[in-house]
Amino acid sequence: AQTVTQSQPEMSVQEAETVTLSCTYDTSESDYYLFWYKQPPSRQMILVIRQEAYKQQNATENRFSVNFQKAAKSFSLKISDSQLGDAAMYFCAYRSETNYGGSQGNLIFGKGTKLSVKP
Amino acid sequence: ETGVTQSPTHLIKTRGQQVTLRCSSQSGHNTVSWYQQALGQGPQFIFQYYREEENGRGNFPPRFSGLQFPNYSSELNVNALELDDSALYLCASSLIRGRGYNEQFFGPGTRLTVL
Repeated sequence: AQTVTQSQPEMSVQEAETVTLSCTYDTSESDYYLFWYKQPPSRQMILVIRQEAYKQQNATENRFSVNFQKAAKSFSLKISDSQLGDAAMYFCAYRSETNYGGSQGNLIFGKGTKLSVKP
Repeated sequence: ETGVTQSPTHLIKTRGQQVTLRCSSQSGHNTVSWYQQALGQGPQFIFQYYREEENGRGNFPPRFSGLQFPNYSSELNVNALELDDSALYLCASSLIRGRGYNEQFFGPGTRLTVL
């Protein structure tokens, strides 16, 4: 079974600085997706960035980028130029590309990292 | 384009009761997934409905059941509520058109408290 581990329950960053959130995962599959989701106090889960395992190039979305190390099963999120609106829970998630029992899109989440941004 | 909506926002029930949570999919989506998020935890997959049929299930007992309607809205039903069922219940809709990536769009959740 696949697992996702986020070892940092809480992180803090100064506004305009850079912070990196860590995530490791365990799988025997070769085809999968990895995600970072943001969950603000409003509770709505918002997709931040996605990485396909077959792509060697790290995904980037504006101020958000990932460091994907497939062999090490590591997937960290870097937030540059942090803003007050970045404060939220961040979840790392895994999705198999294999169709288990007919279920597509089953996301496996880590426990999350609470990010605080100091003005 | 209307996003994913859920009702009610909050709900308080007592142990042993039954509850129904509702989810309205994003326009054009044919799939709804339900997740349970206990306090301080990441969401856990309950089940998914695709074209009105259950299309996969996580490690949840049969007292968790669901429905998907022709308009692709969905219900999550939980019978014989237990204290541990207290959680945020999230639904997510997506459009499945075969293999490959399909993004899940999440609703704001229903906070269920079981006393």
